[in-house]
Amino acid sequence: DAGVIQSPRHEVTEMGQEVTLRCKPISGHDYLFWYRQTMMRGLELLIYFNNNVPIDDSGMPEDRFSAKMPNASFSTLKIQPSEPRDSAVYFCASSFGNTIYFGEGSWLTVV
Amino acid sequence: AQSVAQPEDQVNVAEGNPLTVKCTYSVSGNPYLFWYVQYPNRGLQFLLKYITGDNLVKGSYGFEAEFNKSQTSFHLKKPSALVSDSALYFCAVRNRDDKIIFGKGTRLHILP
Repeated sequence: DAGVIQSPRHEVTEMGQEVTLRCKPISGHDYLFWYRQTMMRGLELLIYFNNNVPIDDSGMPEDRFSAKMPNASFSTLKIQPSEPRDSAVYFCASSFGNTIYFGEGSWLTVV
Repeated sequence: AQSVAQPEDQVNVAEGNPLTVKCTYSVSGNPYLFWYVQYPNRGLQFLLKYITGDNLVKGSYGFEAEFNKSQTSFHLKKPSALVSDSALYFCAVRNRDDKIIFGKGTRLHILP
């Protein structure tokens, strides 16, 4: 299996622009997680889905952030409008059973 | 609410010496416990997990971890450290609501 696939790997955007991060989970996995990693706050759980349904979005920082999972093989995390403080590494992860597997991350810089 | 604590931001160990990276947790019910490793500019890689059974769990790259229910700990260990073990290590806990929470991470430096 190719693992969890994220795109883009790197993105630099200007403040105020819309950013869309994409994730393809491992085939057959029924859970999908979005995490954000920063030096200051470590690894934060933003939202997670079970069978394409959002279960807990309490970690989403504010209304500028939204996530969707239209089908079992695709999810997006959108930031609109983006701000410099959104600069971070965004990880997607998926699981079937107990262990979750991470993608390589999307490195976002908002200038 | 569940939580994970990694009390050390950084651990320095000489190559060849045993290493321990500490983790304590708080969760209602029986915990599922995990260790992940992150190398620079990479995603997190699964090392090992405790679900049930033997308190000593063996994982990848010679690592092992010991589950201690009375101390609510799940420390990561390796008998003989390698320079290539230098990385960021995360402890995580998952409970019945399937939310997985990670500690802040411990940076491990293995000194040649």
